[in-house]
Amino acid sequence: EIVLTQSPGTLSLSPGERATLSCRASQSVPGNHLVWYQQKPGQVPRVLIYDASTRATGIPDRFSGSGSGTDFALIISRLEPEDFAVYYCQQHGTSLHTFGQGTKLEI
Amino acid sequence: EVQLVQSGAEIRKPGESLKISCKGSGYTFTTYRIAWVRQKPGKGLEWMGLVRPGGSDTRYSPSFQGQVSLSIDDSITTAYLQWSSLKASDTAIYYCARHNTGLDFWGQGTLVTVSP
Repeated sequence: EIVLTQSPGTLSLSPGERATLSCRASQSVPGNHLVWYQQKPGQVPRVLIYDASTRATGIPDRFSGSGSGTDFALIISRLEPEDFAVYYCQQHGTSLHTFGQGTKLEI
Repeated sequence: EVQLVQSGAEIRKPGESLKISCKGSGYTFTTYRIAWVRQKPGKGLEWMGLVRPGGSDTRYSPSFQGQVSLSIDDSITTAYLQWSSLKASDTAIYYCARHNTGLDFWGQGTLVTVSP
């Protein structure tokens, strides 16, 4: 089973700043099938990025994903107030999928 | 419109059994696998497992293998998550989600509370 480790656990930034969230895998993720989700309080998660770097439909272009193999990142270029939430990475490159533990992005 | 509608909140005692459901609509149900995800109060997402319509391919996270059972009934486009003997530590919100390039559509979640 691939273990995903997200860092930092909590990221404190201000609107307008740039955020970089990390997701490191214990072994290479086949096909770079790495997904980023955003979850706000009381809401279900939504897909932001899939296959490491492809933005999902309707996601603003301030969100981007990068990386391959074992090291991945989610970058939010200029934070908007609505971006403060918890972010999870997930891999589905192996038969058993796994989530990272999450990064809380707070003001 | 793609929808996954889950059954309502449940309260059970330790040792009791439970089966919750997830009904898909608005898409070809047999094309996509259904995943189940647990979220304990104030905690992160945990991938529990995945079931393919037709039931020919069911996978479980090692953390949930033997603890739960996943099933699916294509004829009524519904997936199920079942426990034979609940524990207090099973208290959580359980989500079903459609597996595509990631989990692209989610049910609203079912809150399961296990308390003496």
